[in-house]
Amino acid sequence: QSALTQPASVSGSPGQSITISCTGISSDVDSYSLVSWYQQHPGKAPKLMLYEVIKRPSGVSSRFSGSESGNTASLTISGLQAEDEAGYYCCSYARSGTLEFGGGTKVTVL
Amino acid sequence: QVQLQESGPGLVKPSETLSLTCSVSGASITSYYWHWIRQPPGKGLEWIGYFYHSGNTKYNPSLKSRITISVDTSNNQFSLKLSSMTAADTAVYYCVRGSGTHYFDYWGQGTQVTVSS
Repeated sequence: QSALTQPASVSGSPGQSITISCTGISSDVDSYSLVSWYQQHPGKAPKLMLYEVIKRPSGVSSRFSGSESGNTASLTISGLQAEDEAGYYCCSYARSGTLEFGGGTKVTVL
Repeated sequence: QVQLQESGPGLVKPSETLSLTCSVSGASITSYYWHWIRQPPGKGLEWIGYFYHSGNTKYNPSLKSRITISVDTSNNQFSLKLSSMTAADTAVYYCVRGSGTHYFDYWGQGTQVTVSS
């Protein structure tokens, strides 16, 4: 059982915006803001989508954005596309120097 | 172009020690953080631990007593040893580069490890 809680599933129609939350990181996020997000298609390795809450690596679409409030970090996908259908995982860096993943969220494009 | 490739046995017997190696190209093993992450079938990601070239290591507390991560600078590789394997350790194991301690920018394709007698 993860200490970071994500909804098991989120769905949306093409063109819509969806938001995935990642809660339970008060001691980590508030102190360090070291949250990252990963996209994983079935049978593939995860891909870095955001790091340090809001930063996008080169090549990641600007449709992906991040935020944080209190003990919750969020990933928003704008202009949802069929290719966005995948699993999404948050990850937080803890004071102890360890890292922890959320349980993952399956995004379905209707 | 940074590439990571895991290698090791696909099948391990219960109580044995798993040994996996990750070969790195396009980046020096003497820089960056080198992590292992696993994913049991149908489940989420679990961080195992990392090695930094200075000799600094950090392990998942739930696995700490069974893990050793080391680096072979001459071959630009790093390795994972996980002892006392059980069926709960069955997973896809990924070797991963961290540009810092807190996020993972390059992943290997993953290698399936099954624990069974």
